Amino acid sequence: GENVEQHPSTLSVQEGDSAVIKCTYSDSASNYFPWYKQELGKRPQLIIDIRSNVGEKKDQRIAVTLNKTAKHFSLHITETQPEDSAVYFCAVNTGNQFYFGTGTSLTVIP
Amino acid sequence: NAGVTQTPKFQVLKTGQSMTLQCAQDMNHNSMYWYRQDPGMGLRLIYYSASEGTTDKGEVPNGYNVSRLNKREFSLRLESAAPSQTSVYFCASAPTTGPGKPQHFGDGTRLSIL
Repeated sequence: GENVEQHPSTLSVQEGDSAVIKCTYSDSASNYFPWYKQELGKRPQLIIDIRSNVGEKKDQRIAVTLNKTAKHFSLHITETQPEDSAVYFCAVNTGNQFYFGTGTSLTVIP
Repeated sequence: NAGVTQTPKFQVLKTGQSMTLQCAQDMNHNSMYWYRQDPGMGLRLIYYSASEGTTDKGEVPNGYNVSRLNKREFSLRLESAAPSQTSVYFCASAPTTGPGKPQHFGDGTRLSIL
């Protein structure tokens, strides 16, 4: 099956700085890459996604970039705020299944 | 519009007991999924149902069974619970399988097996 690696596992940034989380995958047939935010004790919630025919997508302070050749994609959060503190998961859609990264715990320090 | 509803929210079982986790969605989605979430391991797919009447194994199906009761409901059964099945279980649904169809998650069931 697919192998998804996510780095870093923990990330602390000062409020207002940028945060970058990276994921790599192994299956070149993977074609859809969502990112989820999960607050403590809550459900994962989709924050942004990208399809394999697009290199970059932006939604206000959040952006995702995809390099299909290198099989990696990244989440970029600019102007971080304390409410951005959460665990972020990348996911990869291969066939009918989704494979998730192991998560990045982001702490934004006021 | 409740989205994806899971019951129960919490459960404690003894080793060897059986139980069924319930999931229902009201978004008219075709596809439904069961995941388990363990510390440091992200979400792992147990079973999924691409459409009503079909079910397929995911990454970690051993020890579980599922039933797609109708388009709305997808249940997960533990026939003989083991401590290794202590986890948080999430149900999700999507309009269909395939790219560009994001999943919507329920609030989870926190299951402890003693």
